[in-house]
Amino acid sequence: DVQLVESGGGLIQPGGSRTLSCSFSGSVSTFTFTHLWMTWVRQAPGKGLEWVANINQGGSEKYYVDSVRGRFTISRDNANNFLYLQMSSLRVDDTAIYYCARGGTASSWFWEDWGQGTRVTVSA
Amino acid sequence: DIQMTQSPSTLSAYVGDRVTMTCRASQSISNSLAWYQKKPGKAPKILIYEASRLEGGVPSRFSGSGSGTEFTLTISNLQPDDFATYYCQQYKSYSITFGPGTKVDIK
Repeated sequence: DVQLVESGGGLIQPGGSRTLSCSFSGSVSTFTFTHLWMTWVRQAPGKGLEWVANINQGGSEKYYVDSVRGRFTISRDNANNFLYLQMSSLRVDDTAIYYCARGGTASSWFWEDWGQGTRVTVSA
Repeated sequence: DIQMTQSPSTLSAYVGDRVTMTCRASQSISNSLAWYQKKPGKAPKILIYEASRLEGGVPSRFSGSGSGTEFTLTISNLQPDDFATYYCQQYKSYSITFGPGTKVDIK
């Protein structure tokens, strides 16, 4: 079983920065964090799900939704089983619950385990 | 980017009903489609991947079908726990997109 726990959310002023963290514990069959694609997905208030960013096992491949590219950076610490999302130049429309989720070993990007989310509010 | 649409946006049904919802992609995505259930205050839960493969632990009353640009999620014998919003997601493109969701509520 896999457990994902996000942290780092809060109230941030427009233009500010924040780093979200996601701790990973457990395994998927014989696969551990280092074998798995990871992602961040968000849900703004009253809106649907929006994919934010992906990262591959070694961190060499990263993909972003257009609206955050250049402002957000996804990264991972495989030694300590952490996923991160560094957010900068935050805008009011970045307000959302941010979820981390894990994929598989291949680049089939569906997400089988999810954290409970961390709330980010961008407001003056 | 591949655009995803879902219909209907809201679906009202009784417990015990069979319900079907549709997801369409703006271009062919083969079978690179997943379905998720989302309840308020809860994390999304995957139901189906590769358009028709049931995720482990998901009740067999959920089923998915389709390929190319048109997909369906069917819930047979709707249960009280199934009232939620359902999202499709394509992963054919590296720019992943979700549909806007279909909300299933109690009639």
